[in-house]
Amino acid sequence: LAKITQPISMDSYEGQEVNITCSHNNIATNDYITWYQQFPSQGPRFIIQGYKTKVTNEVASLFIPADRKSSTLSLPRVSLSDTAVYYCLVGGSTGGGNKLTFGTGTQLKVEL
Amino acid sequence: DAGVTQSPTHLIKTRGQQVTLRCSPISGHKSVSWYQQVLGQGPQFIFQYYEKEERGRGNFPDRFSARQFPNYSSELNVNALLLGDSALYLCASSLAEGTWPQHFGDGTRLSIL
Repeated sequence: LAKITQPISMDSYEGQEVNITCSHNNIATNDYITWYQQFPSQGPRFIIQGYKTKVTNEVASLFIPADRKSSTLSLPRVSLSDTAVYYCLVGGSTGGGNKLTFGTGTQLKVEL
Repeated sequence: DAGVTQSPTHLIKTRGQQVTLRCSPISGHKSVSWYQQVLGQGPQFIFQYYEKEERGRGNFPDRFSARQFPNYSSELNVNALLLGDSALYLCASSLAEGTWPQHFGDGTRLSIL
C-alpha cells in the first residue's frame, strides 16, 4: 500500500488559492490519486481524481508530476464554506475491490 | 436522484449488545462498501460487497459482518459491542467493483455506553 503524507492542517483567507500537497512515494503503476472533502458529521464527498499530468473540474485542479510520487490539490478562490478536512487517497481497482485507504487528512480552515 | 442513504442516523447501545446498520446505494450502483470513522481519524475500510458477494475485508474482528441483498442494499452487523466501536459508520456505493468514484452516505453515528 502506498504511504500517504499530507499536512495536518492549513489556514487561508477567503479569495485566496489553496494548494494542498500529498506525498505518495510508493504509488503503484495502476493507482489513481483521488481527493475527498469531508465536513463534520457528513460523509466524504468526491472532489477530483487523476492519474497523471493535470485534471481540472468545476471545483478544483489536480496536478500530478511525471514521477507521480506526489500530487497537489488546488482550490481556487476559497470561501468560508471550503473549511473542511481534505483526504488524499491512492489506489486502484486491483485486489481488494474498491478498498479506499484514508489517512488523517488535512484540516483546511478558511477565515475572512 | 437520491444519494446513498443510511439508517438510522444515530444510535445508542450498551456494551455487549448487537447492532444492525442499513445502507441503500445510489440507484444503479451494485457495489457497496462499509467504513468506520473514529473521531479525529480518517475512515477505515471494513467490507466491500459486489453482486451479493464479499469482495474485500479490512482488518476488523469477526464480530463485524455484513451482507448485500438482491436489491443491492446492505446491512452491517456488529456483535458484542465494545466501547471502542463508538464511531461514525459510513456506507459508500459505486457502479461496480473497481469503478470510481465511490459516493458516501452521511453515516450512522453509533455511541456505546
